[in-house]
Amino acid sequence: DTAVSQTPKYLVTQMGNDKSIKCEQNLGHDTMYWYKQDSKKFLKIMFSYNNKELIINETVPNRFSPKSPDKAHLNLHINSLELGDSAVYFCASSQPGTAYNEQFFGPGTRLTVL
Amino acid sequence: AQTVTQSQPEMSVQEAETVTLSCTYDTSENNYYLFWYKQPPSRQMILVIRQEAYKQQNATENRFSVNFQKAAKSFSLKISDSQLGDTAMYFCAFMKRSGTYKYIFGTGTRLKVLA
Repeated sequence: DTAVSQTPKYLVTQMGNDKSIKCEQNLGHDTMYWYKQDSKKFLKIMFSYNNKELIINETVPNRFSPKSPDKAHLNLHINSLELGDSAVYFCASSQPGTAYNEQFFGPGTRLTVL
Repeated sequence: AQTVTQSQPEMSVQEAETVTLSCTYDTSENNYYLFWYKQPPSRQMILVIRQEAYKQQNATENRFSVNFQKAAKSFSLKISDSQLGDTAMYFCAFMKRSGTYKYIFGTGTRLKVLA
């Protein structure tokens, strides 16, 4: 009965590799988000999709490319990984128009780039 | 642009005591939401409490309550009867009530509850 799930939970890879993180929500929400939490625990929005349409694209290197095949899925693909990409990546979803527009978070994916 | 400031990087409190975590924000918006999230070592983000800016009454959820001062742009979290399970990072977050609904997070306060 998981609401927002992410795979994998841990990802260790070498610099220069390409990797993807997958996110799925079964809440029926229209909007999904990717946040990055750096080593100092600071959380910052990266992208958001509403019903498969990109609506937020913060100043993120273009090595990061989100893809939303349908409104229940939002994947994050990262090309040419760098040491600075090491972080925890959180997926979240919400339903605009509901009370508080509260976002529900996945368990996070810890990415370590060696 | 909105900013959220949490001026206490770390705090500690004795079990069963009360602790207050501070949060201030800067915005020119009039309609917005404020949230407190808890992140325990499991790293799951857990919603603790939320407040709508147009509601003057402070939100409460069991042992958690807020002191919302709209004019001062302050949104502090009070935890009463602290429990060991309250040990976690606490994040204050701001969201405009229109547009893209993204969270703006503060830098977090690491709270340790001591036995």
